[in-house]
Amino acid sequence: KAGVTQTPRYLIKTRGQQVTLSCSPISGHRSVSWYQQTPGQGLQFLFEYFSETQRNKGNFPGRFSGRQFSNSRSEMNVSTLELGDSALYLCASSADRDNYGYTFGSGTRLTVV
Amino acid sequence: AQKITQTQPGMFVQEKEAVTLDCTYDTSDPSYGLFWYKQPSSGEMIFLIYQGSYDQQNATEGRYSLNFQKARKSANLVISASQLGDSAMYFCAMREWGGGSNYKLTFGKGTLLTVNP
Repeated sequence: KAGVTQTPRYLIKTRGQQVTLSCSPISGHRSVSWYQQTPGQGLQFLFEYFSETQRNKGNFPGRFSGRQFSNSRSEMNVSTLELGDSALYLCASSADRDNYGYTFGSGTRLTVV
Repeated sequence: AQKITQTQPGMFVQEKEAVTLDCTYDTSDPSYGLFWYKQPSSGEMIFLIYQGSYDQQNATEGRYSLNFQKARKSANLVISASQLGDSAMYFCAMREWGGGSNYKLTFGKGTLLTVNP
């Protein structure tokens, strides 16, 4: 069965622009989580959605937002990009309501110049 | 305070030898789970092994085993018979099921494992 699909794989944007990243979970998975990975801060939780509802949000500014659609696909948006937003953005999906297991995608590598 | 501590930024091991990657955690939640992930240079996080706080036995998955010492709050990953393909970053992560920390994994900083031929 197909894994977690993240698009695009690579992205280069200019400071001040906005960007939208997409995540398609494993079929049947209703929970989608997003993480930011940088060399300095490591892996940090952004937000988690279950059945189109945001259940938890990490400590990120309001420029970071997300949503989940009825087919469980999720998007995250970053507005007014800053150089520090350059990172690998990872999406994970989980089958169960309580998230006993997570499957990650290959990530989207965002570079802000 | 850090919830997950991985004290080894880098480790080297000879092919076919065993290696232990350290992980200590901090939580007051009695219900939690500990995960280990492998991240090759491609970026994808690959699930290796899981240990629940109420599990009586140490988890094992093929060449991976978890040395779970609950009183010491440690969950070390043991890789037996290392292979060249094991060279990667390894992350320890925790999921807490009580309180307000639900629905997320908290990760350690990772250990870069290099397997030498």
